[in-house]
Amino acid sequence: SQQGEEDPQALSIQEGENATMNCSYKTSINNLQWYRQNSGRGLVHLILIRSNEREKHSGRLRVTLDTSKKSSSLLITASRAADTASYFCATGVRAGGTSYGKLTFGQGTILTVHP
Amino acid sequence: DAGVTQSPTHLIKTRGQQVTLRCSPKSGHDTVSWYQQALGQGPQFIFQYYEEEERQRGNFPDRFSGHQFPNYSSELNVNALLLGDSALYLCASSFLMAGELFFGEGSRLTVL
Repeated sequence: SQQGEEDPQALSIQEGENATMNCSYKTSINNLQWYRQNSGRGLVHLILIRSNEREKHSGRLRVTLDTSKKSSSLLITASRAADTASYFCATGVRAGGTSYGKLTFGQGTILTVHP
Repeated sequence: DAGVTQSPTHLIKTRGQQVTLRCSPKSGHDTVSWYQQALGQGPQFIFQYYEEEERQRGNFPDRFSGHQFPNYSSELNVNALLLGDSALYLCASSFLMAGELFFGEGSRLTVL
């Protein structure tokens, strides 16, 4: 079953605009990660935020995490046509020792950036 | 520095057949996880291997089995293929079962 649920399912914007995607999850987590996937190819890791962090930045990406609401958001600023892809959130739960075990992915947000 | 490599990239099988997919992890990584991604869905965890042992398993039947070799590479085997097994199979590697995953490009399996 999917733990993370992304919203919206699809997002269409113009180049230069900001894109915001949201993720909600159900159980306690150790970390939340965002991945990007181009056209059914392999996923690329974007950013990891731990449960004791509230905000993290990486280049044009800004991720927030609200553990009280069990939600996260990914903001892409000044979007480019090359940002067109599917974006997934994934939650990690400690499985014992140092293991984070499996990641549970949402169904993703399809982002289209028009030139 | 080679990333995660998977083979084959595409394959077509018929119902009832068996398939083996292969994965070489990123250099320096020791943990391999396998995911199944149906069209339009997010990846679903199949299992994770570390130190040649299956460490965690998702909700997949015993028809799905795996192996990890001493060089950390891994295989995913699926027996008695069903039409519903058609999907993109993704291998991901990490270090010490933790942190971010590095994914391969996947093996797209079509079952006819």
